[in-house]
Amino acid sequence: AQSVTQLGSHVSVSEGALVLLRCNYSSSVPPYLFWYVQYPNQGLQLLLKYTTGATLVKGINGFEAEFKKSETSFHLTKPSAHMSDAAEYFCAVSDPIQGAQKLVFGQGTRLTINP
Amino acid sequence: SQTIHQWPATLVQPVGSPLSLECTVEGTSNPNLYWYRQAAGRGLQLLFYSVGIGQISSEVPQNLSASRPQDRQFILSSKKLLLSDSGFYLCAWSRDRGAYEQYFGPGTRLTVT
Repeated sequence: AQSVTQLGSHVSVSEGALVLLRCNYSSSVPPYLFWYVQYPNQGLQLLLKYTTGATLVKGINGFEAEFKKSETSFHLTKPSAHMSDAAEYFCAVSDPIQGAQKLVFGQGTRLTINP
Repeated sequence: SQTIHQWPATLVQPVGSPLSLECTVEGTSNPNLYWYRQAAGRGLQLLFYSVGIGQISSEVPQNLSASRPQDRQFILSSKKLLLSDSGFYLCAWSRDRGAYEQYFGPGTRLTVT
């Protein structure tokens, strides 16, 4: 069964510093991988996705992630943190089910930005 | 463009009362639909998914049920709420092909008292 592990339930960085959120996955099939962001009391917003092709994918708000098959990782990065990046971030891997794809989510990483 | 709506936004209900949460999608046809629950400080738990009208799959046994009476309408129900049903309920949709990335609604905050 597919699974996702997000290392660090809380990450704190200074404004302007590099953001690195870690995600490792387990999948029995070639995975589709996703990062979502959730602001308080809101739904999840898709940041970026990896399906096939280029392993470095760029998303919204200056985020990017790199798919590394050998390391079964899909870490999320942003070169320079902004106060507005403070939120909960979820990594997810696709899990094929009949006629659809279930998403298996990690437990989330809460990102705090220090001024 | 596609839009997903959920209502109500917040709900406070006593234990033992019924529940009906509604989710509708605009701008697409034959979407896959999903209900999730997010407990405080925890990740997302998939409750139900549907690949078509009247087709409901349940992921976990529980006090809740789901229905899909129309192509773009997904309803989450309960006959008698439990305290443990409190949480943030999220509806999502995906296309019926491709990478199946899911797009989420704004959520419903349910508090059972």
